[in-house]
Amino acid sequence: GQQLNQSPQSMFIQEGEDVSMNCTSSSIFNTWLWYKQEPGEGPVLLIALYKAGELTSNGRLTAQFGITRKDSFLNISASIPSDVGIYFCAGPGGGSNYKLTFGKGTLLTVNP
Amino acid sequence: DADVTQTPRNRITKTGKRIMLECSQTKGHDRMYWYRQDPGLGLRLIYYSFDVKDINKGEISDGYSVSRQAQAKFSLSLESAIPNQTALYFCATRASGSTDTQYFGPGTRLTVL
Repeated sequence: GQQLNQSPQSMFIQEGEDVSMNCTSSSIFNTWLWYKQEPGEGPVLLIALYKAGELTSNGRLTAQFGITRKDSFLNISASIPSDVGIYFCAGPGGGSNYKLTFGKGTLLTVNP
Repeated sequence: DADVTQTPRNRITKTGKRIMLECSQTKGHDRMYWYRQDPGLGLRLIYYSFDVKDINKGEISDGYSVSRQAQAKFSLSLESAIPNQTALYFCATRASGSTDTQYFGPGTRLTVL
């Protein structure tokens, strides 16, 4: 079935640093979604991408839909302590638009 | 008020007990999902439902059952809980339409002793 490889698995950074993470798929995706999960909460949608090459920003977050349609990138600029959490990429999986396949997540820790 | 709610938020039970986790939504979405989250494994789909009369198995449905009592309610049951079902469980909803975006509840932390 569909697999998403997300990297890195974890990151430990200092406040103010920029962060980059990525996600690759074994097959083409038509949509890429990036979620953030904070401790004790469910995942919350950060950015949705619908077109190859698309670059979308949400505040300090920027995500890109890769040209090959098999990858996506999320960047966080000037990190702050509240950026701590697990970041997941997701896309329609199994050839269906009704189910999502999730990456295993990137755990981000920001040291003040 | 939260759009997607889950009860209970935490539950500790014993092996062999029957457990029901409940999910309610006020978003008016017709599609609902149950996921399980384990450390390092991300989110895995247990069951999903497109409407009250439609139930579908996900990738890890063994040991679980669901009930869609109404458009706004989707329950997950563990008929006979076992320790390896200890996990975080999330309900999610999605509107039928052009996007794949799913909206998640706050989760239920289940521990099976």
